Amino acid sequence: EAGVAQSPRYKIIEKRQSVAFWCNPISGHATLYWYQQILGQGPKLLIQFQNNGVVDDSQLPKDRFSAERLKGVDSTLKIQPAKLEDSAVYLCASSLVWGDSGANVLTFGAGSRLTVL
Amino acid sequence: KNQVEQSPQSLIILEGKNCTLQCNYTVSPFSNLRWYKQDTGRGPVSLTIMTFSENTKSNGRYTATLDADTKQSSLHITASQLSDSASYICVVSAVSGNTGKLIFGQGTTLQVKP
Repeated sequence: EAGVAQSPRYKIIEKRQSVAFWCNPISGHATLYWYQQILGQGPKLLIQFQNNGVVDDSQLPKDRFSAERLKGVDSTLKIQPAKLEDSAVYLCASSLVWGDSGANVLTFGAGSRLTVL
Repeated sequence: KNQVEQSPQSLIILEGKNCTLQCNYTVSPFSNLRWYKQDTGRGPVSLTIMTFSENTKSNGRYTATLDADTKQSSLHITASQLSDSASYICVVSAVSGNTGKLIFGQGTTLQVKP
């Protein structure tokens, strides 16, 4: 089974520039998540999709971050304009469905490391 | 407020030794608790998942325990290997109706030295 694919793996930009990250989840996984992980901290949920609908985007800084999952498969996370504090690893994860089941394991991608100068 | 606290923040042990990582949580309504291992530069990988009724679960040299009464969990690593060097993240699932949230701890960084 292919894993969660993310690109690019690394990106360095200057503040106020824009950047986009791409995620292709495991085939058949309905739920897709974007997490922000700042160095030394646990991942923080930015947005959760169920198919192509948004389930939770309460912690997404909507003035600069946007995400879409148009066909219910792959997803794009965009930051525009970037700030210094956006330097982090952006993790994409997917699971079969969301529900009260211990079998719903999240599979994470390797992440996209963003450095904002 | 839903919170997951892990201790210690970091730990250094010698290869072959055992260690125990702690996780305390205040999450409601509790659904399950997961331990993830995150190697440097990689995404987290699931080690164990425990529901309310389970108090221990093993995955090779990793054994997780759960005390739902005291809201504590531990991850015990036996006979550590250099490859165990990683960050270990405790994640608690809170589910209400058809919605759910995963609350992540900040992780414990383990370094195994030869």
